[in-house]
Amino acid sequence: QKEVEQDPGPLSVPEGAIVSLNCTYSNSAFQYFMWYRQYSRKGPELLMYTYSSGNKEDGRFTAQVDKSSKYISLFIRDSQPSDSATYLCAMSAMRSDSWGKLQFGAGTQVVVTP
Amino acid sequence: SAVISQKPSRDICQRGTSLTIQCQVDSQVTMMFWYRQQPGQSLTLIATANQGSEATYESGFVIDKFPISRPNLTFSTLTVSNMSPEDSSIYLCSVATGGVLNEQFFGPGTRLTVL
Repeated sequence: QKEVEQDPGPLSVPEGAIVSLNCTYSNSAFQYFMWYRQYSRKGPELLMYTYSSGNKEDGRFTAQVDKSSKYISLFIRDSQPSDSATYLCAMSAMRSDSWGKLQFGAGTQVVVTP
Repeated sequence: SAVISQKPSRDICQRGTSLTIQCQVDSQVTMMFWYRQQPGQSLTLIATANQGSEATYESGFVIDKFPISRPNLTFSTLTVSNMSPEDSSIYLCSVATGGVLNEQFFGPGTRLTVL
């Protein structure tokens, strides 16, 4: 079983809809949670960063972390065609032997149709 | 954040040869990392590039195959040695800035094809 599970999609939504993405994980030591956006033939771009449980909002993006369920989510409101990309979740433990070591999900391909 | 560049952006190499990938950052950073992203798959950490000491490799990756240099706080290289077609992948460097080492920023990647 992978430490981080993420549905690869593709997930197709009409422009203006809410995009809902999620990841589950098995390692209870994970405390840092990130979402990256990766356009084709580009490096991943950090979108959201959260520590421990709770919600974080940044513009059209909302990240949620539920550590009790080992489940994280990313919501994109008012989706635009420019949001079409692969979204990767990543997480890390707060341990001296894990500093900076990110475990990534497989990535979900999102397509927003005009 | 940091501005990260990689060279080359892509290359096509013959089996048995080696390729060195460069990663340059526009500011001094404590930690730099090298990842591999195989076709259709997610990112896998190869190693942590430590300034002034040997790189720390993850399980499944060895120094003889992926030697890494980190001569200063803004630059690192990854060499893919004795390449085979299985090494065809995107190689990415990342940096962790500030006091939160888990907040990482990635370079644009190097797309390697081995024939």
